[in-house]
Amino acid sequence: QSALTQPRSVSGSPGQSVTISCTGSSSDVGGYTYVSWYQHHPGKAPRLMIYDVRKRPSGVPDRFSGSKSGNTASLTISGLQAEDEADYYCYSYAGDHIFVLFGGGTKLTVL
Amino acid sequence: QPQLVQSGPEVKRPGSSVKVSCEAHGGTFAFDTYAFVWVRQAPGQGLEWMGGIIPIFGPAKYAQNFQARITITADTARRTVYMELSSLRSEDTALYFCARAISDLDFWTGFSAWGPGTLVTVSS
Repeated sequence: QSALTQPRSVSGSPGQSVTISCTGSSSDVGGYTYVSWYQHHPGKAPRLMIYDVRKRPSGVPDRFSGSKSGNTASLTISGLQAEDEADYYCYSYAGDHIFVLFGGGTKLTVL
Repeated sequence: QPQLVQSGPEVKRPGSSVKVSCEAHGGTFAFDTYAFVWVRQAPGQGLEWMGGIIPIFGPAKYAQNFQARITITADTARRTVYMELSSLRSEDTALYFCARAISDLDFWTGFSAWGPGTLVTVSS
């Protein structure tokens, strides 16, 4: 099973908004509400930013939001800040044989 | 948020096994009702889900890529989850993370508490 498809990189200036897409299929992203997003600095522990498509854990700024349409989930970061620069991974449940797929990761650069 | 404390770095020979532990500190949550998973990141690669367990439900679930050589167990008394990977090869060199689900009795939701990672190096 292939990983979920994310753009390799996105960029934006401070204060702008960016959206990272995560495309799968009806067997994973499109079929379940178990989509989450992780912020990751290499060598550090990932941080949960969004879970169950659009829920935000306590402590995560409301600048981060999640959505899904069909087989594509999206993470939108508004009011970009320098500290948002990181790798972002999407995650989806993929049924009782594959179980879980991660996206390939997107490197966010804050210009 | 609980603190997950992982065992230290390991250097292993190809063909051998490694067992990594993950102890949950901050004991106010019901350890055996939460999903714990293992995720790894090889150098220059992305995140890879390996498998997980909800102790109260028993058998772990494993990614197909690891099915034949991974065992995930939990010791409720020690509040510790273990991941053992056998038949190691150089491609298994990676940082191995454990993580706990944000809500109980749910295997596939988000994972909000993470260990710091355990570096496993496989080299002859």
